Amino acid sequence: GAVVSQHPSWVICKSGTSVKIECRSLDFQATTMFWYRQFPKQSLMLMATSNEGSKATYEQGVEKDKFLINHASLTLSTLTVTSAHPEDSSFYICSAPGPRAPLHFGNGTRLTVT
Amino acid sequence: DAKTTQPTSMDCAEGRAANLPCNHSTISGNEYVYWYRQIHSQGPQYIIHGLKNNETNEMASLIITEDRKSSTLILPHATLRDTAVYYCIVRVAHISSGSARQLTFGSGTQLTVLP
Repeated sequence: GAVVSQHPSWVICKSGTSVKIECRSLDFQATTMFWYRQFPKQSLMLMATSNEGSKATYEQGVEKDKFLINHASLTLSTLTVTSAHPEDSSFYICSAPGPRAPLHFGNGTRLTVT
Repeated sequence: DAKTTQPTSMDCAEGRAANLPCNHSTISGNEYVYWYRQIHSQGPQYIIHGLKNNETNEMASLIITEDRKSSTLILPHATLRDTAVYYCIVRVAHISSGSARQLTFGSGTQLTVLP
């Protein structure tokens, strides 16, 4: 139980295109979800907090117009990387506070921008 | 949140106990110690947490010193599948809502279980 499902698990896109990543809480509701980014050989860095029914809050240095977050329901948050560039290539991980841990994490999305 | 210090890497022989230390000397009285691990190219997985008493579950044991300034995660019989980065995180528990519920990850310990 308490599963967070993230899709897709990997995506390759061309520079200038947009990519949407979905994060779902499968058996619990999440009014808040968190999006992290992880570059190779580095730790997870929080990008933004997704709030159901209201605007996301972004960490310093994260461009809100580039990383669009929508949290339209209690079980779904999406992250859209707009006009992706090679420097956006990274491992994106979502998470949600849940019943059995402070945060339950998805399995991540490996984004490669060519 | 209190800062934690962990060794960069450790090796452990398969079948032996893996003991992963964590220092959190500035921990506050209302902060818990959480352990997560991240297997390569996967999302972090929750392992265990505790406040001041030792804790055990099906995955691991957590030993917290009496002064709460350090703790040790014990994997009693390490297997090759336990090779991962292990993160020790300190945070206030029972946050009802909002951005404070996020977890701040340090560098963790890369545990390599050797055959």
